[in-house]
Amino acid sequence: DGGITQSPKYLFRKEGQNVTLSCEQNLNHDAMYWYRQDPGQGLRLIYYSQIVNDFQKGDIAEGYSVSREKKESFPLTVTSAQKNPTAFYLCASSIGGLVDTGELFFGEGSRLTVL
Amino acid sequence: GENVEQHPSTLSVQEGDSAVIKCTYSDSASNYFPWYKQELGKRPQLIIDIRSNVGEKKDQRIAVTLNKTAKHFSLHITETQPEDSAVYFCAAITGFQKLVFGTGTRLLVSP
Repeated sequence: DGGITQSPKYLFRKEGQNVTLSCEQNLNHDAMYWYRQDPGQGLRLIYYSQIVNDFQKGDIAEGYSVSREKKESFPLTVTSAQKNPTAFYLCASSIGGLVDTGELFFGEGSRLTVL
Repeated sequence: GENVEQHPSTLSVQEGDSAVIKCTYSDSASNYFPWYKQELGKRPQLIIDIRSNVGEKKDQRIAVTLNKTAKHFSLHITETQPEDSAVYFCAAITGFQKLVFGTGTRLLVSP
């Protein structure tokens, strides 16, 4: 069954701790993305990667880091430098460039709460 | 960079009525405009999209219109049903192939 798997679904963190959110896809998609969803603010792009070993900052990259060592994996680390990390995080993938191939396929999300 | 504004933030309609959600964008170079639907507790899913060389696109009860001159596009849902209740997001693509999303519209269809 193809798709995008995010884990964990819920995560609690103490202030000052780094946490890593997992995102794995078996769709053989080249591009992967991380979005943050906050109430009333829509989806905001954190990082994206169009190819293995390459990634670019999105609109709100400060306090986050990513890696793309394998085509199917794009983990997101929320560092202690992120001032307001409590949010719902969505990972997505696309076959290639969005202009050409369109659709983003989303995971089910990870909800991070900082205590 | 691209900025996408979406209105209204909430929309309540009676079953069978039509619903219209409007978005404006700022980057005249944007050329791809998708709409995503997110049901409660679920992932966003693409429901319809339009490219800048087309003025209107329909898929059963859903249609999207695009006015490039005015830089706005709209989602039209006819004969609404309770299962249409969800949050709808519009988006526009920037020159760097990044999707910029609107802030979302919560649609509630009452039986």
